[in-house]
Amino acid sequence: GNSVTQMEGPVTLSEEAFLTINCTYTATGYPSLFWYVQYPGEGLQLLLKATKADDKGSNKGFEATYRKETTSFHLEKGSVQVSDSAVYFCALSDRALGAGSYQLTFGKGTKLSVIP
Amino acid sequence: GAVVSQHPSRVICKSGTSVKIECRSLDFQATTMFWYRQFPKQSLMLMATSNEGSKATYEQGVEKDKFLINHASLTLSTLTVTSAHPEDSSFYICSAIQGLAGATGETQYFGPGTRLLVL
Repeated sequence: GNSVTQMEGPVTLSEEAFLTINCTYTATGYPSLFWYVQYPGEGLQLLLKATKADDKGSNKGFEATYRKETTSFHLEKGSVQVSDSAVYFCALSDRALGAGSYQLTFGKGTKLSVIP
Repeated sequence: GAVVSQHPSRVICKSGTSVKIECRSLDFQATTMFWYRQFPKQSLMLMATSNEGSKATYEQGVEKDKFLINHASLTLSTLTVTSAHPEDSSFYICSAIQGLAGATGETQYFGPGTRLLVL
């Protein structure tokens, strides 16, 4: 079956530090990959996505590249801000499953805390 | 665009009562909506997939009679927690897919969540 593994948190960084949150996946077909962000007390917001190998998703200074050879979709940001403090979820949507092809499989989430 | 709302945002109820949560796609038609449950500091657990005009598909282990889902229109799905008990207390989140299932990207847009507390 499909699965998503992301690095366990919490991750604590100083403002302007470089961020990497690792994410690897297993899938039976050709998944689309996503990063969602959840701010305290809120639902999930789509941060970025990539739909095929070598695609790079980017948004708000965050980026992630779909690496089929390493089955990875690591999230990076060059300089984090306090406002980036949130929980980040890696997820995949596998198109190969027919009727259920649009279901998302989530990683467990990584909590990021950025301190001034 | 692609905004999903949920109502209410928070609800407190007594054990044994039923609670209805609404999920609406505000600016698009959603043929498919999903209901998730999230426990503290954990990931989202898919409860069911809701297609407009048809019965919901429940994930293994989710009680159909406990969690009633109705997707009556292309912009509204409701989750009713029947005879709620304290163990049903959780954060319930819905999501919706814009356009036809299977379209490129298949991006899900999430509502802000409903926090349910059963006393």
